[in-house]
Amino acid sequence: RKEVEQDPGPFNVPEGATVAFNCTYSNSASQSFFWYRQDCRKEPKLLMSVYSSGNEDGRFTAQLNRASQYISLLIRDSKLSDSATYLCVVNPLGNQGGKLIFGQGTELSVKP
Amino acid sequence: EPEVTQTPSHQVTQMGQEVILRCVPISNHLYFYWYRQILGQKVEFLVSFYNNEISEKSEIFDDQFSVERPDGSNFTLKIRSTKLEDSAMYFCASSETGMGYEQYFGPGTRLTVT
Repeated sequence: RKEVEQDPGPFNVPEGATVAFNCTYSNSASQSFFWYRQDCRKEPKLLMSVYSSGNEDGRFTAQLNRASQYISLLIRDSKLSDSATYLCVVNPLGNQGGKLIFGQGTELSVKP
Repeated sequence: EPEVTQTPSHQVTQMGQEVILRCVPISNHLYFYWYRQILGQKVEFLVSFYNNEISEKSEIFDDQFSVERPDGSNFTLKIRSTKLEDSAMYFCASSETGMGYEQYFGPGTRLTVT
């Protein structure tokens, strides 16, 4: 099983749509979880951290289910500018090294 | 807004040569990282660095690689005797602390080994 596994893409949605991405992780001891976005050939940019109680930032909602080792990201009212690759990222041990494990990413394309 | 910077943006080198990739982390951050991304593949962790020593390194980070913080602001990745398969984007990142804190990435250096 891959350490971090994401929905295969691409997702092609119209502007205004709601889209959900899923991710599973293999290490049950994982401590910290994030969603990053990556535009073509650019650096990963932090979108949001994911907390156990779930959290929301504007149109973005992240959920964590530790029992199922499952993370999700919901984007409401999609904008053209949301087109990017969304990376599910896990800090496997929460240790001082802070190593991040990245998923392969899910590509989102928002069309007019 | 503070950001991580990296130089050069693109480096072309011949197989067998040594390269040094440079990074300036965010000034109040204490943990520094290097990642790489081969074209079409996922981002992979290379090494983390704290208090002037390596905290953790991956299997990729063998004797060919080294890191250094030569002064109070720069953080470098040296790749000795480059191979074709070292061609990738190399990202530097930093975080305020290491334990699960958010990491912020620089724009990357695209390394092409010919």
